[in-house]
Amino acid sequence: EAGVAQSPRYKIIEKRQSVAFWCNPISGHATLYWYQQILGQGPKLLIQFQNNGVVDDSQLPKDRFSAERLKGVDSTLKIQPAKLEDSAVYLCASSSTVQYFGPGTRLTVT
Amino acid sequence: GQNIDQPTEMTATEGAIVQINCTYQTSGFNGLFWYQQHAGEAPTFLSYNVLDGLEEKGRFSSFLSRSKGYSYLLLKELQMKDSASYLCAVRDKRSNYQLIWGAGTKLIIKP
Repeated sequence: EAGVAQSPRYKIIEKRQSVAFWCNPISGHATLYWYQQILGQGPKLLIQFQNNGVVDDSQLPKDRFSAERLKGVDSTLKIQPAKLEDSAVYLCASSSTVQYFGPGTRLTVT
Repeated sequence: GQNIDQPTEMTATEGAIVQINCTYQTSGFNGLFWYQQHAGEAPTFLSYNVLDGLEEKGRFSSFLSRSKGYSYLLLKELQMKDSASYLCAVRDKRSNYQLIWGAGTKLIIKP
């Protein structure tokens, strides 16, 4: 069974630039999550999708972050414009009972 | 409110046994998960407890006491590759069945 796929693995951008991350969940998993993880902390939920609908985006900074999950499969997370404090690892996970994570995207904003 | 507590860092010796504790407070408990996260990598699933008691999976075991809001992860016959962070997470049915995460315990294995 293929795992959760994410791209890119690494991204370096300057502040005020934009960036997009892509996620393909495990086949058949209806629930998809985007997390932000800062070194030494647990993952922080940004947004939760059920199929192509948003369940919870209460912690998504909507002035600069957006996410979509068209057709209930792949998802993209976008940051525009990026700030220095957005430097983190962005993790995508999908679940049935257990959440399984993709390899993550390490974002550095300079 | 919701809260997960686990030690920040632990050190153990190769071949020994280590127990990583996790205490939690949540009003909508629906299961407790342990994940392993090596530096620079994503979390990987280790274990899941929803009922009280011990779940054993090879060298790793996880215990849950719902009445005490307490869990531990037991690692036996420690190997150098077990050096990683171990994350405790509680699923909360009152928060869309989301996982509430601890900050993780960094386990350092010494020869």
